[in-house]
Amino acid sequence: DGGITQSPKYLFRKEGQNVTLSCEQNLNHDAMYWYRQDPGQGLRLIYYSQIVNDFQKGDIAEGYSVSREKKESFPLTVTSAQKNPTAFYLCASTWTHQETQYFGPGTRLLVL
Amino acid sequence: QKEVEQDPGPLSVPEGAIVSLNCTYSNSAFQYFMWYRQYSRKGPELLMYTYSSGNKEDGRFTAQVDKSSKYISLFIRDSQPSDSATYLCAMSGDSGGSNYKLTFGKGTLLTVNP
Repeated sequence: DGGITQSPKYLFRKEGQNVTLSCEQNLNHDAMYWYRQDPGQGLRLIYYSQIVNDFQKGDIAEGYSVSREKKESFPLTVTSAQKNPTAFYLCASTWTHQETQYFGPGTRLLVL
Repeated sequence: QKEVEQDPGPLSVPEGAIVSLNCTYSNSAFQYFMWYRQYSRKGPELLMYTYSSGNKEDGRFTAQVDKSSKYISLFIRDSQPSDSATYLCAMSGDSGGSNYKLTFGKGTLLTVNP
């Protein structure tokens, strides 16, 4: 089945802990994105990557890090520097020069 | 002024009603307009996509774009309980070359009551 997968569905973080959210796609998409969704806030862009081994900060990159070692994978690390990490995290992908983006099912991150 | 404004609702309608969802925007460089539907605790799914001004119809859904007024709409005819979801507008086409970035509205929560 083609698609975008995110894991885990739920993730719990302890104070001072780094956690990594997985995003994988088998759609042969070039570009991948990470968004954060908070109630009443809409989707806010954290990081994006248009090509392997290259990525750019979005609007709210502080406290997050990413890597793009493979075309299919774009993991997001929520570091201990992110003081308010509780949110719904969405990964998206698309082809180069394609305006529409396609979303994964999301990961809900909660702080213990 | 925010780049994209969307009434968050909530909007509650009876089954069979015609629903109108709207967004306004301030960036005149936006050329690509999308509507996403998001069910509770799920990822958004692309519903409609239009380029520049005009109408686009797909089944019970019609998307309208009026670039002169910087206003976009999504109409749902014969609404069904399964249409109950949050609807997000999104747009891109910034003349600064960042047409890979989507700007989203905050979403409108719609409930269709049987």
